[in-house]
Amino acid sequence: EAGVTQFPSHSVIEKGQTVTLRCDPISGHDNLYWYRRVMGKEIKFLLHFVKESKQDESGMPNNRFLAERTGGTYSTLKVQPAELEDSGVYFCASSQALFAPTDTQYFGPGTRLTVL
Amino acid sequence: GQNIDQPTEMTATEGAIVQINCTYQTSGFNGLFWYQQHAGEAPTFLSYNVLDGLEEKGRFSSFLSRSKGYSYLLLKELQMKDSASYLCAVQNDYKLSFGAGTTVTVRA
Repeated sequence: EAGVTQFPSHSVIEKGQTVTLRCDPISGHDNLYWYRRVMGKEIKFLLHFVKESKQDESGMPNNRFLAERTGGTYSTLKVQPAELEDSGVYFCASSQALFAPTDTQYFGPGTRLTVL
Repeated sequence: GQNIDQPTEMTATEGAIVQINCTYQTSGFNGLFWYQQHAGEAPTFLSYNVLDGLEEKGRFSSFLSRSKGYSYLLLKELQMKDSASYLCAVQNDYKLSFGAGTTVTVRA
């Protein structure tokens, strides 16, 4: 069974540009999460999809970040325009069960974003 | 708010036992998870506790005391490949809140 995959693995862009990160969850997983780790800090929650619907986006830092999950499958996270403080590693995770708050989340390898 | 504390670094010898402590103060609690992360790779699920007590999975065990806001991860028979960062995470309403991670270095 394939794990969570993310693309690209690395992205280097200039301030003001746009970047789109992609996440493919484990097949059949209804829950999809985005997290971010900024240099020297802990991993922090950004948002949670249940199928194609945003369940919780309380961790999204501002309106420069837009997440979508087309048809309840893969998800994209767009940053527009990117700022220096957006640099970090963006992780995606997925879990299987609906209505199971303690269901295990499986993580992808992350996308390392550098904004110059 | 969420406050999850774990030591920054630990060093141990191959074949030994290491215990990584995690204390937490969070606004809600559904469970406590432990992940292992090698540099540049995905965090990998190790263990979780929902109820108080000890959960054992091979060389790894995890303990939880909800009344004390305390958990530990025990790694036995350490191997060189166990050198990694270990992340403590509290789950509340689906989302995980992480500690900063403990870097464990295993020496021969």
